Amino acid sequence: DVKVTQSSRYLVKRTGEKVFLECVQDMDHENMFWYRQDPGLGLRLIYFSYDVKMKEKGDIPEGYSVSREKKERFSLILESASTNQTSMYLCASSLRLGNEQFFGPGTRLTVL
Amino acid sequence: TQLLEQSPQFLSIQEGENLTVYCNSSSVFSSLQWYRQEPGEGPVLLVTVVTGGEVKKLKRLTFQFGDARKDSSLHITAAQPGDTGLYLCAGPTSGTYKYIFGTGTRLKVLA
Repeated sequence: DVKVTQSSRYLVKRTGEKVFLECVQDMDHENMFWYRQDPGLGLRLIYFSYDVKMKEKGDIPEGYSVSREKKERFSLILESASTNQTSMYLCASSLRLGNEQFFGPGTRLTVL
Repeated sequence: TQLLEQSPQFLSIQEGENLTVYCNSSSVFSSLQWYRQEPGEGPVLLVTVVTGGEVKKLKRLTFQFGDARKDSSLHITAAQPGDTGLYLCAGPTSGTYKYIFGTGTRLKVLA
């Protein structure tokens, strides 16, 4: 069975903290994605990676960075968390770009 | 800008009723996926439709891809409370790898 796991289901951080969100997939997928989901705004792509060490900006990359050192792991980094980054963060993977995506359970991040 | 518009945005129905959710675009899609997302969880893939005019059934759920591959519908027969969730259509626009999500339909089925 396809599996994408995220390191935390819930996270509470303070403004200015550095935050790491980890995602691991066990399907040997080439592509991995980070989205945020907010009420009324739908799913918005932050960054994606199509290969190890390769990354591309999505629609809303400001305030975020990513790291992909191994094929199965894709990390989202908030260098200095702000309250407007309070959101549900979803990681996904796909075999090929444009193919269906498989999602993790999400991390609900609250920045105080 | 390529968009996938879903309607209705919200739907609240009684158990046993039938419903249809629509996903429309002005762009052609090489395939379309439907996902269901339960509160506090990530979206789960339900189906992929690829061919214009294609119909796929998943128990009480029937998915249809428009002939021109610009729209899709999801019909649920005899809805149950377990069908409650956010339904998202998504797909890659034809000729690109850019994958976009629809605006979503939030369904609540009351017992």
